Amino acid sequence: AQSVAQPEDQVNVAEGNPLTVKCTYSVSGNPYLFWYVQYPNRGLQFLLKYITGDNLVKGSYGFEAEFNKSQTSFHLKKPSALVSDSALYFCAVIPTGRRALTFGSGTRLQVQP
Amino acid sequence: KAGVTQTPRYLIKTRGQQVTLSCSPISGHRSVSWYQQTPGQGLQFLFEYFSETQRNKGNFPGRFSGRQFSNSRSEMNVSTLELGDSALYLCASSVAENSPLHFGNGTRLTVT
Repeated sequence: AQSVAQPEDQVNVAEGNPLTVKCTYSVSGNPYLFWYVQYPNRGLQFLLKYITGDNLVKGSYGFEAEFNKSQTSFHLKKPSALVSDSALYFCAVIPTGRRALTFGSGTRLQVQP
Repeated sequence: KAGVTQTPRYLIKTRGQQVTLSCSPISGHRSVSWYQQTPGQGLQFLFEYFSETQRNKGNFPGRFSGRQFSNSRSEMNVSTLELGDSALYLCASSVAENSPLHFGNGTRLTVT
């Protein structure tokens, strides 16, 4: 099945340190990949997407993601974490031949002051 | 520009009842999708509408249905509610295929 996997339920990082939230995908053909963030009692907010082109994608709030075809990964990164980045992060893919997003299980990011 | 608006924000229903949730997309967005979010199953796709036509459907029973109106507003209906239908129901709109989805804040449905 075409999907994404987020291997970590939770990531803890100290404020000011770099952060990485991992995502791997399993999609035939060229993947359309996305990252979303969800704050408590809110809907999801779009962070960034990869369709084609540069492997390093820059998004909102200082986040970026690196597409790696050989490792089938699309990890979310930020050079310096903020306490306000603490939230639930979802990786998502549009499977080939479909229009709907398939989401990963989510990773809770906790940034400690 | 106003975001995606979902009403109501909270609902409490009893098993066996039915419920209708409403979604107003961002102005100019013609595609509306619905997702169910639960702690156990995560985010699951329900269906997607474009120009009043259902283009895509997830793997949910027929008790879950939806529709889209000519002004792109959408409703979803769940009949014969079960306890397992308790969830956050999220609506999202987009301007075009493969464009980012813009989500509303959801309707939290509790079935007792």
